Amino acid sequence: EVQLVESGGGLVQPGGSLRLSCAASGFTFSAYWMHWVRQAPGKGLVWVSRVNGDGSSINYADSVKGRFTISRDNGKNTLYLQMNSLRAEDTAVYYCTRFYGWYESFDTWGQGTLVTVSS
Amino acid sequence: QSVLTQPASVSGSPGQPITISCTGTSSDAGTYNLVSWFQHHPGKAPKLMIYEGSKRPSGVSNRFSGSKSGNTASLTISGLQAEDEADYYCCSYERNSTFWYVLFGGGTKLTVL
Repeated sequence: EVQLVESGGGLVQPGGSLRLSCAASGFTFSAYWMHWVRQAPGKGLVWVSRVNGDGSSINYADSVKGRFTISRDNGKNTLYLQMNSLRAEDTAVYYCTRFYGWYESFDTWGQGTLVTVSS
Repeated sequence: QSVLTQPASVSGSPGQPITISCTGTSSDAGTYNLVSWFQHHPGKAPKLMIYEGSKRPSGVSNRFSGSKSGNTASLTISGLQAEDEADYYCCSYERNSTFWYVLFGGGTKLTVL
């Protein structure tokens, strides 16, 4: 079964850091682009970042560029999101998702991990 | 940057059809061929319902269908059921100066009366 499981969320003070992880199973992890998408409380889905299969191509939304770093460890089948200089507006549930080229869309999502930035 | 506009809410009675629209501001009509629709029950993982505008992934009920006209994509659910009550998001892409940017609509809350 194709599965994504996020972890690492929690409460952090403004200006703090947090690293999210997304453990993948049931598919050849290194063959897929992987993305992070977030949802602030009461708001819609917003794309955050993406990385290609070998980690050589990376993009970010303007709102997180320079503060967040996406990476992956294909040996551990794990996707990461290092979040620094966190702000209140980064409070959200963070989802990792697999981009499936045949569909040109996101076919598998994790359940999400909640990040709360507050003093 | 383009915006995908969805109605904030729609409602319908069991057995009735409903349609959710997603209107984009991009001048690149080609991106609308890549519109996806996701169903999201709060607290759960989003689920892909439609890809490439009108195609259904394996396992998705044929009560869900997608279409597009000009810069507007639509999701239609025929024969509403209680379990269809959820938030629905459209998704597409826009090319900025360096890469294809992922856009989501603001979401539509579907209430089954």
